[in-house]
Amino acid sequence: QVQLVESGGGVVQPGRSLRLSCVASGFTLSSHAMHWVRQAPGKGLEWVTLISYDGNNKYYADSVRGRFTISRENSRNSLYLQMNSLRGEDTGVYFCARALKENTKTMDVWGKGTTVTVSS
Amino acid sequence: QSVVTQPPSASGTPGQRVTISCSGSNSNIGTNHVHWYRQLPGTAPKLLIYGDNQRPSGVPDRFSGSKPGTSASLAISGLRSEDEADYFCAVWDDSLRVVVFGGGTKLTVL
Repeated sequence: QVQLVESGGGVVQPGRSLRLSCVASGFTLSSHAMHWVRQAPGKGLEWVTLISYDGNNKYYADSVRGRFTISRENSRNSLYLQMNSLRGEDTGVYFCARALKENTKTMDVWGKGTTVTVSS
Repeated sequence: QSVVTQPPSASGTPGQRVTISCSGSNSNIGTNHVHWYRQLPGTAPKLLIYGDNQRPSGVPDRFSGSKPGTSASLAISGLRSEDEADYFCAVWDDSLRVVVFGGGTKLTVL
């Protein structure tokens, strides 16, 4: 069964850091680009970042560039999101999502999400 | 304000056909494929349409997508109560080099 499971969310003070993880199962992670997408409470979806299948290419939303870093460890079937200098507007549910092989900008499998709350 | 625009709400009665629009520009919808996602309350989004008009396995043919120019549309025919959800379009923007989501459309089945 193809599955993505996120972890690492929690409550953190503004300015602090948090690292999210996403473990893949049921498919070969190294064959797919991967995304992180977030959703603030009561709001729509906001794309955060994309990493190519081999980790050589990364793209970021303007709102997180310079503060967040996406990485992957294919040997561990794992995707990560290092979040530094967190702000209140970073609060929300963070989803990891698999990209289609034929179109890396499409997300065909999603995890259930992990919640990040940035508050003092 | 999102680079890609959707109406905030739409509605229809059971059995009806409804369409949801997604308006963009030459740097996104005019150049790249549009994808549609459905999200039920408290759950993760689900891919509904990719590549403008392709349905993933398991998505019924009641759902269809089209893309004339710099706008795209999602059509749902034979509307059912379980179709009540939030619908989002998404597309890559060549100028911004990011994926942009529309603001989402809340579909109500009356």
